[in-house]
Amino acid sequence: DAMVIQNPRYQVTQFGKPVTLSCSQTLNHNVMYWYQQKSSQAPKLLFHYYDKDFNNEADTPDNFQSRRPNTSFCFLDIRSPGLGDAAMYLCATSSRGLSPYEQYFGPGTRLTVT
Amino acid sequence: GQNIDQPTEMTATEGAIVQINCTYQTSGFNGLFWYQQHAGEAPTFLSYNVLDGLEEKGRFSSFLSRSKGYSYLLLKELQMKDSASYLCAVWSGGYNKLIFGAGTRLAVHP
Repeated sequence: DAMVIQNPRYQVTQFGKPVTLSCSQTLNHNVMYWYQQKSSQAPKLLFHYYDKDFNNEADTPDNFQSRRPNTSFCFLDIRSPGLGDAAMYLCATSSRGLSPYEQYFGPGTRLTVT
Repeated sequence: GQNIDQPTEMTATEGAIVQINCTYQTSGFNGLFWYQQHAGEAPTFLSYNVLDGLEEKGRFSSFLSRSKGYSYLLLKELQMKDSASYLCAVWSGGYNKLIFGAGTRLAVHP
């Protein structure tokens, strides 16, 4: 019954050691989003894919990259994690990227940087 | 600019009614969402308003006034499981994305 799946749920990485978070969806939605959410803060959009078109937010650090090899999967790569990158990372999907339609969220991956 | 304001915390009693307010300023308003987020979990969709007025869905209702840049979420017959953060989010046509408020942490006590 799972619709948006994120792996792993918890990830611990060392300062500067690259890490990849994954997201998959069974909804066949054409838009996938990555958000960063720190404790007691609003989710912050990092980037999104509309089909294969990648859209980066202007204030997303270069340290964050993303890949979408097919409709179902999307990856978030953090090339050199810093202590400030510790957060919950949420993946979301929607069916029409340019319209205000409901976004379906995955359970999130909580990243710890040591 | 874009700004969404909602109270940081609220408390309420089981069985009571609580209203969580949200005010917003954004470019190209195109709908307002309310999400519920339990601690450590993903947000889940509660409601969507694009026209002025009240939308009722079971124990939850959401109201929108576009001219005032104002919305509220009304929760009736509160249950302990309603203890969560409630996120107000606006779709900004100008920025073509969903902009979230920081959330209101609601604690329901017996």
